[in-house]
Amino acid sequence: GDSVTQMEGPVTLSEEAFLTINCTYTATGYPSLFWYVQYPGEGLQLLLKATKADDKGSNKGFEATYRKETTSFHLEKGSVQVSDSAVYFCALKHNAGKSTFGDGTTLTVKP
Amino acid sequence: NAGVTQTPKFRILKIGQSMTLQCAQDMNHNYMYWYRQDPGMGLKLIYYSVGAGITDKGEVPNGYNVSRSTTEDFPLRLELAAPSQTSVYFCASTDRGVNEQFFGPGTRLTVL
Repeated sequence: GDSVTQMEGPVTLSEEAFLTINCTYTATGYPSLFWYVQYPGEGLQLLLKATKADDKGSNKGFEATYRKETTSFHLEKGSVQVSDSAVYFCALKHNAGKSTFGDGTTLTVKP
Repeated sequence: NAGVTQTPKFRILKIGQSMTLQCAQDMNHNYMYWYRQDPGMGLKLIYYSVGAGITDKGEVPNGYNVSRSTTEDFPLRLELAAPSQTSVYFCASTDRGVNEQFFGPGTRLTVL
């Protein structure tokens, strides 16, 4: 079956540091890939997505590229802020609607 | 659009009590899901539905029941609450294709 593996957390960075959160997946066919963010006390919300190989999703300074050859979708940001502190989930979805989520990576950014 | 709404936001139950967590969406999505999230953990799928009248078990269905009589509503029923069901419960919906899941704000349940 499908699976998503995220780098283990927690991750602690200083403000303005570079962020990478690794995500690799196993799936049949050609799923869409997503990064969701969960702020404290809230539900998950979409951060960015990519729907086919070599697509780059981007939002709020975050980027991730759909790499079919390495089955990866790593999340990056050039300069993190304290307000980026949250839990980040990588996920994949087939057209039939069911999604598979990673376990989440907690990011804490210190001033 | 209100998106996905959940009620209540918080609830404390005694062991053995029953309750229904409500979930509704106004996006005409066919697919709906119930997840639980334990402290510091990821999401675990409890039940899901691919359309009105159709439901199926996820990873952790024991102790829960669902129904889907309309496209909009997908309530989750706890029949005999146990301390192990203390968690935050999220409802989500989506459609076919490349769009994301939309999540509700969650229900924080404590069973004492």
